[in-house]
Amino acid sequence: NAGVTQTPKFQVLKTGQSMTLQCAQDMNHNSMYWYRQDPGMGLRLIYYSASEGTTDKGEVPNGYNVSRLNKREFSLRLESAAPSQTSVYFCASSGTGEGYGYTFGSGTRLTVV
Amino acid sequence: GQQLNQSPQSMFIQEGEDVSMNCTSSSIFNTWLWYKQDPGEGPVLLIALYKAGELTSNGRLTAQFGITRKDSFLNISASIPSDVGIYFCAGQKGSGNTGKLIFGQGTTLQVKP
Repeated sequence: NAGVTQTPKFQVLKTGQSMTLQCAQDMNHNSMYWYRQDPGMGLRLIYYSASEGTTDKGEVPNGYNVSRLNKREFSLRLESAAPSQTSVYFCASSGTGEGYGYTFGSGTRLTVV
Repeated sequence: GQQLNQSPQSMFIQEGEDVSMNCTSSSIFNTWLWYKQDPGEGPVLLIALYKAGELTSNGRLTAQFGITRKDSFLNISASIPSDVGIYFCAGQKGSGNTGKLIFGQGTTLQVKP
């Protein structure tokens, strides 16, 4: 009954360091998403994966890469972190058909110093 | 960039008061969703709307899908302290829950006991 699980929950990076945010869902959803949340900006889509084996850019993809490892897992990588990437990152997944909203993880709070 | 304008940006109300917030867009959406985010958590789906003109309730919450398909509103009646949080509208252009969600900037609600 876990839903969407994100790790880590908190992370501090130095400028230029790299890291991977992990996301896994156990609802057999086809689609998965990465959003970032900044004050007053709502949630902005970074990348998404409509189905296993496909990924597409969202609204703010620069500085990020993603991997849809399998149907369950969708990771987000920062190759060279910048202070502008300080944010709260949310992973989400969705099924298809009416009645399915997005299910969100609890977020990763990332600070780049 | 952002296509949804959500207002108000924040509200500070007395317990027991009714609350109204809305979301407008220059684009047509096929689905409107309303989410609530508690501190330190990911957004959770409150109400989903799939047809223009649809009015849907979930307890003390009522939401409507505008006739023009370019707007939606959310009402909360008789607010209580646990209503505190950030409320997001989201629009989806695909049908049957296909396609990306676009989020509004959020309405921060504070309730004074």
